[in-house]
Amino acid sequence: AAGVIQSPRHLIKEKRETATLKCYPIPRHDTVYWYQQGPGQDPQFLISFYEKMQSDKGSIPDRFSAQQFSDYHSELNMSSLELGDSALYFCASSLGGTGRNGYTFGSGTRLTVV
Amino acid sequence: QQQVKQSPQSLIVQKGGISIINCAYENTAFDYFPWYQQFPGKGPALLIAIRPDVSEKKEGRFTISFNKSAKQFSLHIMDSQPGDSATYFCAASLSGNTGKLIFGQGTTLQVKP
Repeated sequence: AAGVIQSPRHLIKEKRETATLKCYPIPRHDTVYWYQQGPGQDPQFLISFYEKMQSDKGSIPDRFSAQQFSDYHSELNMSSLELGDSALYFCASSLGGTGRNGYTFGSGTRLTVV
Repeated sequence: QQQVKQSPQSLIVQKGGISIINCAYENTAFDYFPWYQQFPGKGPALLIAIRPDVSEKKEGRFTISFNKSAKQFSLHIMDSQPGDSATYFCAASLSGNTGKLIFGQGTTLQVKP
């Protein structure tokens, strides 16, 4: 079965650079969630989209923005990167905006800021 | 403030033993409680989930016990195997919400052969 695809798998950026993470949900899934997981930490919710509209917002820095496109893939844009942004970034997708149907995580993008 | 508190932080169990991980929550508006298994460098994978109207749910070797009055729920892994060695997260989601998950701090389980 198709899973959630995230790209790239690994990304190394320097401080103050920008990064773009991409997420391709499971086919027919209309909801995307972004989470940030620091080393040894639990995943922290950043932002979600349902039917291409932002549906919820968590502890996402103002330096970050995201959107969901017409084909339901999503991109997380991160600017003015800081060392503390180094983390695993996970995307999850589900069917329907409540997250109760087929909630599946991707394998993540490991961002390292040097 | 951690809305979902998980314990223990780490757990070592012998092969064939029972692994027990506990979670507690405060917000009574939570109405969906999934457990996730995560291997290093991988995304969390849903193991089993429960709603507050059920006191226990079993799927294979995995059982969730739910105590609504105490606002606690736990994961039991029966006949633990070395392949179960991973980090386990409990989570909670709000009723009628957008599906945002609030995770516990995680438990690193090691099953010794």
